[in-house]
Formats: sequence, C-alpha cells, structure tokens
Amino acid sequence: VQLVESGGDLVQPGGSLRLSCAASGFTISNYWMSWVRQAPGKGLEWVANIEHHGSVKYYVDSVKGRFTISGDNAENSLYLQMNSLRAEDTAVYYCARGMTSVTTWGYWGQGTLVTVSS
Amino acid sequence: DIQMTQSPSSLSAFVGDRVTITCRASQSIGSYLNWYQQKPGKAPNLLIYDASSLQSGVPSRFSGSGSGTDFTLTLDSLHPEDFATYYCQQSYTIPITFGQGTRLEI
Repeated sequence: VQLVESGGDLVQPGGSLRLSCAASGFTISNYWMSWVRQAPGKGLEWVANIEHHGSVKYYVDSVKGRFTISGDNAENSLYLQMNSLRAEDTAVYYCARGMTSVTTWGYWGQGTLVTVSS
Repeated sequence: DIQMTQSPSSLSAFVGDRVTITCRASQSIGSYLNWYQQKPGKAPNLLIYDASSLQSGVPSRFSGSGSGTDFTLTLDSLHPEDFATYYCQQSYTIPITFGQGTRLEI
C-alpha cells in the first residue's frame, strides 16, 4: 500500500488549489479515504472523508463550503479541491486510508505542504 | 464535538524508563480510541487501535488501555527511537478529533 500526495504550493488568500493523492497496492473504490492536515508546529486535524463509492462525504466545519473531496477510480486517486483559501489553511495535508475501521488510519502518505500567504 | 485532552503535553524521560500518557474524552467513546506516534517531518504512525489492540509491526513495549472516557498509552523500557510526539484520536463519531499531542523528550 502506498499513498503519494502532490499539489501543495504557495497560494494567496482567497485562491484555490487542488491536491492529489495517488494510491497503489489497493483500489480506492473499496475503501473510505480521508484527508488530515497539520499546521506548522501544531497538532493533527481531520479535514474530510469520502465513502468508497463517492456518494457520502464528511467535512470538518472549518472547511465546509470551501473544500471538496473526491475520488477517481480510473486514476485510483483521491483529490481535495480547496477554494477560498485562508491563512489558517496553511498546513501539511496528508491522505490516509483506514484499516480496521474507516477512521483508524493505518496508511498515510508523506504529506504535501500548502502555504496560504500574500 | 468530542474534545480529546492529553496529559502531559510534554514529558522528559530516560532510555529504559516506563512512561504513561493519558487521554480523556469529553464524552464516552467506548473503545474507539487510537494512538499514533509522529516523528519530525514524518507522517503519523498507528500504534494502538480500538484502545488496546497493538498494530502489526509495533513493538510489544507499547500498550494501551481504557474505555469510555479515560485511556492510557504505556511505553515500557523506552528505546531511543521512542522519543517522538504521541497523539490520541477518537474514531467514534464525526468530526474525528485528536488530542493536542504529548511530546516525549530525552
């Protein structure tokens, strides 16, 4: 199992960014997938989940209406579309896959850094 | 939202010591509690799931206990590679929440 994130960058407040997570060793259509972030020097924060068929999605309140989680089964990849970015969205973003349960994250990517600053 | 509170926030110990980190949930979460270890610049690593089950490949010096609102992570006989930050996480309900972390220092 391998998860590789990409797409992190420096973006201005109010801007948009799309993160990708390429999965290998398993098929994302068989698993719930998640994004978790970590602001510099801070703790971990769950961001969003997507059900394996893509029809059910959950978000932390602070990103609702701004972020969209999605998956592409053909590409076997997970995405996070981030709009209306704020300084407080600055963080390393990890994609993660559950093990014994949806949100018991036994597999993580290496993370991708998003910096929101003017 | 369920608040997860870890104590202590930081801890100094010696190689060979036994240490305990506690995690308290603001409401009952059954046994839906996981523990992660994180080293600088790395992704978190799952140590304990469902409060007391040891993740495959994790040394047996790590153990977890508790249910309801009070949980502990115990590290027996600290090794040099155990110095890291530890997080508890409830997987009981959305929003999923983490403790603030416990930094274990030499």
